[in-house]
Amino acid sequence: NAGVMQNPRHLVRRRGQEARLRCSPMKGHSHVYWYRQLPEEGLKFMVYLQKENIIDESGMPKERFSAEFPKEGPSILRIQQVVRGDSAAYFCASSFRDIPGEQYFGPGTRLTVT
Amino acid sequence: AQSVTQPDIHITVSEGASLELRCNYSYGATPYLFWYVQSPGQGLQLLLKYFSGDTLVQGIKGFEAEFKRSQSSFNLRKPSVHWSDAAEYFCAVGDNTDKLIFGTGTRLQVFP
Repeated sequence: NAGVMQNPRHLVRRRGQEARLRCSPMKGHSHVYWYRQLPEEGLKFMVYLQKENIIDESGMPKERFSAEFPKEGPSILRIQQVVRGDSAAYFCASSFRDIPGEQYFGPGTRLTVT
Repeated sequence: AQSVTQPDIHITVSEGASLELRCNYSYGATPYLFWYVQSPGQGLQLLLKYFSGDTLVQGIKGFEAEFKRSQSSFNLRKPSVHWSDAAEYFCAVGDNTDKLIFGTGTRLQVFP
């Protein structure tokens, strides 16, 4: 049973470009969470999605960031017009029920903005 | 607002020594509490969790943690540390909604 998969593992973008981060949850999981980890900091919640629905996006920056979890395919975290401050590790987690802590984390995507 | 404090940024222990990593939380009701471990360049792995019941919980890799409501603490312990335990450890709190609130982490270094 494959775990949570994220790709790419490393992504380099120039300022102003778009970054697309993908997350495939564990089989049978319909809940996806995105977290961001800035250097030397803990993880910060960004958004929680179920299939085709955004449940909680209270941690998402108001501009340039968006997320989706379509009926078919992976969840996508999209960052438009990236800036240096977006450089971070972005982790996806999945669960099959919305009980915190029953979340299984992927290996993360490390975004570097040059 | 919920918050988690891990007062020790960096801890160094000798292999075979005992370990205790501190975690304090702020939350109005009984929280859900977790410890995760992150190896360099990797994602997070759940070590153990507390939802209710026995306040001493056992986890994987020989770790345990004790929930102390009076001290708002959930400290992680291991009686004898192995070199492979060197990693970053995160304490987290959750409620009955969705998100986890993480502490800033404690980096554990193990000397042979």
